[in-house]
Amino acid sequence: SQQGEEDPQALSIQEGENATMNCSYKTSINNLQWYRQNSGRGLVHLILIRSNEREKHSGRLRVTLDTSKKSSSLLITASRAADTASYFCATESNFGNEKLTFGTGTRLTIIP
Amino acid sequence: DAMVIQNPRYQVTQFGKPVTLSCSQTLNHNVMYWYQQKSSQAPKLLFHYYDKDFNNEADTPDNFQSRRPNTSFCFLDIRSPGLGDAAMYLCATSAVAGETQYFGPGTRLLVL
Repeated sequence: SQQGEEDPQALSIQEGENATMNCSYKTSINNLQWYRQNSGRGLVHLILIRSNEREKHSGRLRVTLDTSKKSSSLLITASRAADTASYFCATESNFGNEKLTFGTGTRLTIIP
Repeated sequence: DAMVIQNPRYQVTQFGKPVTLSCSQTLNHNVMYWYQQKSSQAPKLLFHYYDKDFNNEADTPDNFQSRRPNTSFCFLDIRSPGLGDAAMYLCATSAVAGETQYFGPGTRLLVL
């Protein structure tokens, strides 16, 4: 299966702390994306990083990509209760199949 | 605001009774996707349209069909729902295949 793996499966931290989630994938990619999903809702796009990029920032989010290790990390700084959600990485392979393959997700809980 | 709309948000059907889920978008995106997501799992792609071109995933059951009568609308038909088809069904759009996807809020299907 092409599906990515995320680590950890679940993470609980105190509000104000930083949260780091990791994603590993199996094939060469064009881009890697991170999405957030609140319980019972659709997914919301957070950030897209291309295969020729190593790091990207958006507000309190920092994403890194290491194509040699086929891995990515998402760092959320100064976490807030509203960050409680599931986070998924998704990859577009460079086989040109026009679709994303989602990872297994990390369930993040921020404790107020 | 441009968006992806799914109706209904909750759908209850009986075992074997056909059901149709709908998705509409005001983003004017060429690509539309249908995903199935079961509890605590990653979204699983069922099929996608690139404009009118239909692309079925190899492991999507024949029980699932889709229609895209125009750019704005896409439908998911489940011909004979089984208990295993109970899930969240997510519709998404993309301006460019493989790039950022915009998700609707999902339809939760319950099969009795």
